[in-house]
Amino acid sequence: DVKVTQSSRYLVKRTGEKVFLECVQDMDHENMFWYRQDPGLGLRLIYFSYDVKMKEKGDIPEGYSVSREKKERFSLILESASTNQTSMYLCASSGVRPQHFGDGTRLSIL
Amino acid sequence: GENVEQHPSTLSVQEGDSAVIKCTYSDSASNYFPWYKQELGKRPQLIIDIRSNVGEKKDQRIAVTLNKTAKHFSLHITETQPEDSAVYFCAASIRGPNTGNQFYFGTGTSLTVIP
Repeated sequence: DVKVTQSSRYLVKRTGEKVFLECVQDMDHENMFWYRQDPGLGLRLIYFSYDVKMKEKGDIPEGYSVSREKKERFSLILESASTNQTSMYLCASSGVRPQHFGDGTRLSIL
Repeated sequence: GENVEQHPSTLSVQEGDSAVIKCTYSDSASNYFPWYKQELGKRPQLIIDIRSNVGEKKDQRIAVTLNKTAKHFSLHITETQPEDSAVYFCAASIRGPNTGNQFYFGTGTSLTVIP
């Protein structure tokens, strides 16, 4: 069974901090994704990666960056956290199809 | 890029009735359409999917239909049960030549099944 593991379920940080969200998958999937989930807005794609060291911007990349140094790991970085980045963050991975999701990280920026 | 619209945003049905959720997409290149169920506090889980070369797919009480000409697809749940209560997301996927799969999600439908 595919397993996508996000490093934290809940995280509280302060404005201006640099925040790292980690995601690891164990199925040798090429594609990995970071989404943000907010009420009434569904799942919005922040960044995705289709290969090691490759990344593509999604719909809302501003204020975020990503890193994919190894195939199994995809990191989301908030360079300088702001309160409007308080949200649920979901990581996903896929081979040809379909997507498998992690449990999510609920991030609060104070 | 692709744009997926989902309706309704909320849906309440009596237990035993059917529920229908509809999605439209804009890019005719989309070729894969998964549906996810997300229970409160849990990750989205794939419940059914359909590919563009198929018009309908059924799995027990759940079915999905696809109309490529009209660019819309729908989720049908029959004989609803309280445990069907959740948020449902549709998605459309385009497989690019060099970029793997991209998934575009609808905004979700909160389904409540009233016992």
